[in-house]
Amino acid sequence: DAGITQSPRHKVTETGTPVTLRCHQTENHRYMYWYRQDPGHGLRLIHYSYGVKDTDKGEVSDGYSVSRSKTEDFLLTLESATSSQTSVYFCAIKWGATDTQYFGPGTRLTVL
Amino acid sequence: DQQVKQNSPSLSVQEGRISILNCDYTNSMFDYFLWYKKYPAEGPTFLISISSIKDKNEDGRFTVFLNKSAKHLSLHIVPSQPGDSAVYFCAASIIIQGAQKLVFGQGTRLTINP
Repeated sequence: DAGITQSPRHKVTETGTPVTLRCHQTENHRYMYWYRQDPGHGLRLIHYSYGVKDTDKGEVSDGYSVSRSKTEDFLLTLESATSSQTSVYFCAIKWGATDTQYFGPGTRLTVL
Repeated sequence: DQQVKQNSPSLSVQEGRISILNCDYTNSMFDYFLWYKKYPAEGPTFLISISSIKDKNEDGRFTVFLNKSAKHLSLHIVPSQPGDSAVYFCAASIIIQGAQKLVFGQGTRLTINP
């Protein structure tokens, strides 16, 4: 158990509204990641963080921003949600010096 | 472009037989490869991995093979069990600007039939 929780687990929102998803970890890992999973695409990296206030973009970062003010929390914000952002969002941590990432349970987001 | 590809969207195998899941990649800078298993409504769980300096890694019923010259890896599950029914993702690791990133394939849905 990598001690990762995500909230909310499910959310339905309307186009144009802001949405914030939270990832929380209890093990003090330095690296945290946000992915989205869509049929036919596997998991795609949105943003990642390599420390408090240190973040960078992934391959599908348009329309998303992130913040990490504490080691344990990594927030993903959709400033103005669109229907194309309907997806399942997963947070992950990198386990110490290994190359293995461990995932949270996911947030299913529906944008109407 | 898709740097990691799983060309079989689905695979059906009889219980007790061998399941073979395949994955191809294009970037020779990938240095570590992983397989994840995913059940519905859950996050992906780490299954097994292999370093690019090895060609085989085994863990119980699961074996991963890496053929660097062909840029191909495969996951063998033997014997297959009903609980192995899930979606399997292969992932390749790369270090870019000091940060590790994973690139995932599209996934293969494995169904084990009794």
